[in-house]
Amino acid sequence: GNSVTQMEGPVTLSEEAFLTINCTYTATGYPSLFWYVQYPGEGLQLLLKATKADDKGSNKGFEATYRKETTSFHLEKGSVQVSDSAVYFCALQKTSYDKVIFGPGTSLSVIP
Amino acid sequence: AAGVIQSPRHLIKEKRETATLKCYPIPRHDTVYWYQQGPGQDPQFLISFYEKMQSDKGSIPDRFSAQQFSDYHSELNMSSLELGDSALYFCASSPPQGSYEQYFGPGTRLTVT
Repeated sequence: GNSVTQMEGPVTLSEEAFLTINCTYTATGYPSLFWYVQYPGEGLQLLLKATKADDKGSNKGFEATYRKETTSFHLEKGSVQVSDSAVYFCALQKTSYDKVIFGPGTSLSVIP
Repeated sequence: AAGVIQSPRHLIKEKRETATLKCYPIPRHDTVYWYQQGPGQDPQFLISFYEKMQSDKGSIPDRFSAQQFSDYHSELNMSSLELGDSALYFCASSPPQGSYEQYFGPGTRLTVT
């Protein structure tokens, strides 16, 4: 079946450190890939997306590239801030009207 | 910009009671999705509606039912509540013509005591 795996947290980084959160997926065909962010006590926000192989999604300094050959969509940011502390979910969607399938989430804490 | 509205934002019920959660999609969005996020868990798909018809069904208990009305708002009805139903319930909507993007509401936090 379709599924998403991502690195387990929690991840703790110092401010201005480099962030990588690994994400791999299993799916038939060519799903769209997403990163969602959930700040403490809040709902889900779409952070970035990529709809086809080799696409790079980017937003607020975060980037992720859709790698079909390695079935991966790793999230990166060059310099994290305390305000980036949140839970990050990697997700996929098979078709435009399909449900979103989420990974288990990775909790990130950034300390000053 | 208008967002997805969910009400109530918080709800406390006792075991065996009934709860109704409401979702108001972004104007002109025709598809609504419901997800359940247990404590420390990832969101799990429950059910979706397209143009007022059920379009997909996930791991939704038989005690739950949902529908989408003519104005496209949706309601999730939950009966015989159990402690394990305590969770954050998200509604999401998406626009016509398949944009792939689902816009999530702030969620309703249901606590069953």
